Amino acid sequence: DTGVSQDPRHKITKRGQNVTFRCDPISEHNRLYWYRQTLGQGPEFLTYFQNEAQLEKSRLLSDRFSAERPKGSFSTLEIQRTEQGDSAMYLCASSLAGSTDTQYFGPGTRLTVL
Amino acid sequence: GQNIDQPTEMTATEGAIVQINCTYQTSGFNGLFWYQQHAGEAPTFLSYNVLDGLEEKGRFSSFLSRSKGYSYLLLKELQMKDSASYLCAVRAPDSNYQLIWGAGTKLIIKP
Repeated sequence: DTGVSQDPRHKITKRGQNVTFRCDPISEHNRLYWYRQTLGQGPEFLTYFQNEAQLEKSRLLSDRFSAERPKGSFSTLEIQRTEQGDSAMYLCASSLAGSTDTQYFGPGTRLTVL
Repeated sequence: GQNIDQPTEMTATEGAIVQINCTYQTSGFNGLFWYQQHAGEAPTFLSYNVLDGLEEKGRFSSFLSRSKGYSYLLLKELQMKDSASYLCAVRAPDSNYQLIWGAGTKLIIKP
């Protein structure tokens, strides 16, 4: 078990470009979450998967954001037509449904939109 | 609405003890988590409380009072590496997956 991994760790892009991030959860975990975090704030929930099904998406999330988890293993988060306000740390977490359902986080992808 | 309150910043001395408080107002309760986050890194899990009382894990302990909507994280024998932000999160009442997060308490340890 190598923990949750994310790729890339850093991404710099120009406004208007599309970006895609990948998350590989802990292998036996069936739940996967995407968060966004800005400086001095707690993580902001974006979306959640149980196996391959996307069960919830934040109402604050614009249509430019989309996430997939096609085989119930890794997940991708795509941001289309990036804006400077999208600059943030994007965190992925995974958990195993059960009594505590503790979420374990990956190292994050830091996005800078110029 | 649902709200988590934590102090923004605290300072403590190496070797001392510090208590970080968290109060929450939610329409229900299904567990409270504490995470540690070093600058530029991801949160790492510290503790979980779902019943009232104290959970001890080495130098770190976490306490919960559901009737008061209150928790604290107690750090003993502080080390310089404990300088980090400490995030309190409450599991949302209508699900088993969405956590409501506080903004975190930045803890500064001085020699």
